[in-house]
Amino acid sequence: KAGVTQTPRYLIKTRGQQVTLSCSPISGHRSVSWYQQTPGQGLQFLFEYFSETQRNKGNFPGRFSGRQFSNSRSEMNVSTLELGDSALYLCASSPRERGSADTQYFGPGTRLTVL
Amino acid sequence: GQQVMQIPQYQHVQEGEDFTTYCNSSTTLSNIQWYKQRPGGHPVFLIQLVKSGEVKKQKRLTFQFGEAKKNSSLHITATQTTDVGTYFCAGGSNYKLTFGKGTLLTVNP
Repeated sequence: KAGVTQTPRYLIKTRGQQVTLSCSPISGHRSVSWYQQTPGQGLQFLFEYFSETQRNKGNFPGRFSGRQFSNSRSEMNVSTLELGDSALYLCASSPRERGSADTQYFGPGTRLTVL
Repeated sequence: GQQVMQIPQYQHVQEGEDFTTYCNSSTTLSNIQWYKQRPGGHPVFLIQLVKSGEVKKQKRLTFQFGEAKKNSSLHITATQTTDVGTYFCAGGSNYKLTFGKGTLLTVNP
């Protein structure tokens, strides 16, 4: 099976812009979670989607949003970008219905740089 | 909310030495997972522990889950240069995973 794919792999934006990141889970996986990884804060959970519904949410401002499509593909959007949003954004899919408490299969990530 | 603390933050060893990283949760966990992230890579699942006091081995890696299901450890025997990377624990509770900040292991050949 193909692994989790994320596009784009690298992105450079300026403050105030918005960005959309895309994630395709492993075939058959219905749960998709998003994480932000930074050197200072480590891996922080953003949100989890299952069957097109947001099931769990981390402690991030409303500028961070997401959605999931009927084919389980997911997108994450960040509006009004700030310098502190520079990070590696990781998508992870999971095969079972427990979703974000189960094994996470991570994609390669999108490296976002905000200038 | 739930917090997962992991120590040490960094560990540098000579090849052949042992290595241990520890993970502590502020709340009782339903499971604990361990991941490894190579430099420039993404986290890769290593193992999941579910039962109180559980011990699992994968070749030179030994994973333990505490009796109270609030702490865990990963021990690597006789490290090799291929063990380099950041090791994360992740505690599962209430359908959410909380990651520790990881231990960066470097190995001097």
